[in-house]
Amino acid sequence: GENVEQHPSTLSVQEGDSAVIKCTYSDSASNYFPWYKQELGKGPQLIIDIRSNVGEKKDQRIAVTLNKTAKHFSLHITETQPEDSAVYFCAASIGSGYSTLTFGKGTMLLVSP
Amino acid sequence: NAGVTQTPKFQVLKTGQSMTLQCAQDMNHEYMSWYRQDPGMGLRLIHYSVGAGITDQGEVPNGYNVSRSTTEDFPLRLLSAAPSQTSVYFCASQDGYNYGYTFGSGTRLTVV
Repeated sequence: GENVEQHPSTLSVQEGDSAVIKCTYSDSASNYFPWYKQELGKGPQLIIDIRSNVGEKKDQRIAVTLNKTAKHFSLHITETQPEDSAVYFCAASIGSGYSTLTFGKGTMLLVSP
Repeated sequence: NAGVTQTPKFQVLKTGQSMTLQCAQDMNHEYMSWYRQDPGMGLRLIHYSVGAGITDQGEVPNGYNVSRSTTEDFPLRLLSAAPSQTSVYFCASQDGYNYGYTFGSGTRLTVV
C-alpha cells in the first residue's frame, strides 16, 4: 500500500520567517495530495490540496508544490504568524471520487513572536 | 450546518468493557471513515464506508467493528476494550466530488 513520509517532525521558526514541510510518497498512482492543520484539541482541518495534474497551488500565505517524478510534495508557509503554530499533516490518495487517505506522521510547527 | 459530530468527547473505560463511539454527518456524504491518532504515529485508518450497507477494513481494524445503516451515521464499536486502544479517535466524511475530507472534533478514549 501507499506509504507517506513527512519531515521534519518538529519545526521552530521566528514570526515572519518562512516554513517548509516536505513529504514523499511511495505509490506513483497517487493523484491527490491534501494538507491538514490540527490545532490543539481539535480535528484536522484541510488547508490546501493539490492534484497530480498541477505542479503548484497557492492560497494567500500558503503554497503547495508537487514533483511527480521524485514523488514528493511540500507545504510552504510565508510570513509565519503565531497562529500558524499547530501540527500539520500531509496525505496522499489514489483514485478519483471516494478514496482512502494515507497520512504522514505530522510536523509540529512552533512560531515564536 | 454542523458538519461531522462525534460523541462523547472524552471516555474512560475499564479493560474488557464495550462501548460505541458515535459519528454523524449532515452533509449527505457517502464516504465516511474512522481514524485513530497516537503520538508520533499520525492518523491511521481503522474502517471506512463508501455508502449505507457497505464497510471495509483499513490499516488497523482489529478490535473494532462498524456498521452503516444510514448515510448520516457511522458508529465505531469496541467489543472488549484493551489498553492498546487508548487513543484519540476521529471520524471523517468525504465529499466525493472535490475529494475534501471533513473531520469531527475527536473522542479521547482512555482504557485502564
